[in-house]
Amino acid sequence: GAVVSQHPSRVICKSGTSVKIECRSLDFQATTMFWYRQFPKKSLMLMATSNEGSKATYEQGVEKDKFLINHASLTLSTLTVTSAHPEDSSFYICSAGASETQYFGPGTRLLVL
Amino acid sequence: GENVEQHPSTLSVQEGDSAVIKCTYSDSASNYFPWYKQELGKGPQLIIDIRSNVGEKKDQRIAVTLNKTAKHFSLHITETQPEDSAVYFCASRAGGQNFVFGPGTRLSVLP
Repeated sequence: GAVVSQHPSRVICKSGTSVKIECRSLDFQATTMFWYRQFPKKSLMLMATSNEGSKATYEQGVEKDKFLINHASLTLSTLTVTSAHPEDSSFYICSAGASETQYFGPGTRLLVL
Repeated sequence: GENVEQHPSTLSVQEGDSAVIKCTYSDSASNYFPWYKQELGKGPQLIIDIRSNVGEKKDQRIAVTLNKTAKHFSLHITETQPEDSAVYFCASRAGGQNFVFGPGTRLSVLP
């Protein structure tokens, strides 16, 4: 149980385009989902907390207009990187809250050329 | 706010030996402590967790101990195998708050 999927697993895009990443909880409902960014050999950096049916809460320093988050249902949250630039290249990981813990997706590697 | 430290940052052990990773936290209100294993290019996977009303929890070769007084908790892996090689993250959470992760420990199990 507690499986979280992410799609796509990797994406390459041109600078200036937008990229959407989907996060789904497959076998449980998650009122709260989290989006993290991870740099090479670093820990997880929380970007935002996504609550179903309400606006996401962004961490300090994260541009909400650049990283659009939508949590339309209890099993789906999306992260859209708008007008992507090379510095947005990273490993993005979502997690879904179940009971008191979090279950992570497999991650999405974004490369912006 | 909460601060989580993790040591060591890297750890190499011989196959079959034990590995211990320790984390300390600062917020005495923290009451939930999970451990995650992250393999290269993948998302973190929950391997064990412990709540503040328990001092120790074991699951086969993996165990976690918690010392609330000293505010530290440790991951113990016995009879290590090459497939245990990964980055391990500890985390802590006070009720209703977000997780705070440690910086990670890169474990290498040498055959």
